[in-house]
Order: sequence, then C-alpha cells, then structure tokens
Amino acid sequence: AQSVTQLDSHVSVSEGTPVLLRCNYSSSYSPSLFWYVQHPNKGLQLLLKYTSAATLVKGINGFEAEFKKSETSFHLTKPSAHMSDAAEYFCVVRPSGYSTLTFGKGTMLLVSP
Amino acid sequence: DTGVSQNPRHKITKRGQNVTFRCDPISEHNRLYWYRQTLGQGPEFLTYFQNEAQLEKSRLLSDRFSAERPKGSFSTLEIQRTEQGDSAMYLCASSSPSGLAVSYEQYFGPGTRLTVT
Repeated sequence: AQSVTQLDSHVSVSEGTPVLLRCNYSSSYSPSLFWYVQHPNKGLQLLLKYTSAATLVKGINGFEAEFKKSETSFHLTKPSAHMSDAAEYFCVVRPSGYSTLTFGKGTMLLVSP
Repeated sequence: DTGVSQNPRHKITKRGQNVTFRCDPISEHNRLYWYRQTLGQGPEFLTYFQNEAQLEKSRLLSDRFSAERPKGSFSTLEIQRTEQGDSAMYLCASSSPSGLAVSYEQYFGPGTRLTVT
C-alpha cells in the first residue's frame, strides 16, 4: 500500500522569500513521485516528477524537489516566492508498475506582499 | 486548446436524481482516469480505462457509480440515486505511454463540481 503525508496544511511566506513544502511518502514498490499545483477554478498542473533518474528534480516556474530515499521524503522548494505561486500543492506517489496516483491532502501556499 | 475537457463544469441536483458527466481526453491518449476530490482533501482515485477496457475500480466506486468509455475516446461517469455525500469535484485525467520511458504522466481536466441538495 502507498500513502503520502504532507506535513503542513498551510504555509505562509512573503514574496521574495524561500518556499519549502514538505512531503513524506510510503510505498511498497519503487515509486514515482510528483508535485501538482491547483490554482482556484483551474485544473491540476504537473510541476515536476521523479521517476528513478536524478534525485534532484527541476520543474516549472523555478520549483525543484529532492528525492531522499533514506528519509522517504520529496520536499518541494523554490528560492524566491512570487505572488502567482499562491495555490494548493499536492504531493503524489505512484508505485512502480501501477497506473493510479495517490495524492496527499494538499498544502495551501499563501504569499503576502 | 487540446487539453482534457469536462462537461458540465457545475451540476446542482436534488438527492435521488441521476447525473452524468463527460470527459474528453487529450487526443490519442489511451488511458483515462476518474478521481473525486472533496473539500479539504486531495483527489482520490475512482477508476481508469485503457482504451475501452475498464482495468481498475476503487472501493470508493459504489454500485451507484458506473463509468464507460465505449469507443476508447470520451468517457462518461454516471451516478444513480445521488446522495448528499456525493457532493464533490469529479476530475478526469488522461495519459499515454511515452516510448521506452513509460512515465504515464497524467494530465487533468478542470473538473465537474457536483452539488447534491
């Protein structure tokens, strides 16, 4: 069985400061890991994915995440937050050989001027 | 726009009525997925198709729910005898194998928001 724990339901940052959204996963098989972003009234958009290649993964809009097997973590970071980053972020796991995705409960990122 | 589309975007229905949602995947994507998202939660998997074959169904998919993908293109999700607990956002996604590196990256539609009164 697989599961995802997003450690913070809400994260507040000021524009221009770093962003850290934390995610821990549990999976019986070598997983693929993803981060999706959901803006209000818009569909889920893939930010980045880890599929057993490089452990440091770069995504769109300056986001990146590092896969740490020993810590079963896949935290999302960005050096400098922008107002347009305000949205809900989901950490997602897909075990190897499976098609379906298991989502975390989400982290709402709030960015203040 | 060649992304995943879903119709209707919003549906309000009375308890006990039947509703049907439609999803049009990205052209030539052979896999299509349905998810349900309730307030404050991440999306939860319901079912998926490869071409016209329904390959997996979640325990969340009660007997009142049925999904079809008759020609391997668009899909419909029907809920019979709706209950207030069915109120949620219903999301559709599609994917396609990508050469040797099969990532099955899923592309999501905007969702259909169902409100059962």
